[in-house]
Amino acid sequence: DAGVIQSPRHEVTEMGQEVTLRCKPISGHNSLFWYRQTMMRGLELLIYFNNNVPIDDSGMPEDRFSAKMPNASFSTLKIQPSEPRDSAVYFCASPGGYTFGSGTRLTVV
Amino acid sequence: GENVEQHPSTLSVQEGDSAVIKCTYSDSASNYFPWYKQELGKGPQLIIDIRSNVGEKKDQRIAVTLNKTAKHFSLHITETQPEDSAVYFCAPRGGSNYKLTFGKGTLLTVNP
Repeated sequence: DAGVIQSPRHEVTEMGQEVTLRCKPISGHNSLFWYRQTMMRGLELLIYFNNNVPIDDSGMPEDRFSAKMPNASFSTLKIQPSEPRDSAVYFCASPGGYTFGSGTRLTVV
Repeated sequence: GENVEQHPSTLSVQEGDSAVIKCTYSDSASNYFPWYKQELGKGPQLIIDIRSNVGEKKDQRIAVTLNKTAKHFSLHITETQPEDSAVYFCAPRGGSNYKLTFGKGTLLTVNP
């Protein structure tokens, strides 16, 4: 099993642009978490999917953020429009051991 | 929501010494208590966990102890090695049964 796979590893974009982060959870898991890590706020849960349905999105900062899990093998986190304060490392994780991916480091300039 | 405090924020030890990191939490319904290790440029990695019906668990050089009455649990690393240097996070799971709330992390440095 390749574990949780995230892409891209690094993303640099200009303020106002749309950013899409991608995650492939562990095979056979239809649940997934998205976390964000910053120096100031640490690791924060953004959204939790179970059976491909968003169960808890209370951590999504604002309407600029959206997430989907169209099937058990893929999820996206989209930011539109992006702002410099969105710069962070974004992780997705599969439950059942809470296995984290390697993260996407997003820089918005 | 769950309030989590982790101490110390930094810890420096000599190779071969022991290291202890403590985590306190607020949600009395918490039932799962994991510790994660994060190395530079990587995601957090689960290293040991304990459930609420157990007081202690060991895995080679690492152990976790739980005091549910006092609402704290601790990570113990014995015979530390330079490769143990990393940031360690506690992340108790509250009554929601899915949400981990992460502490602010402890930077452990093991000096050769």
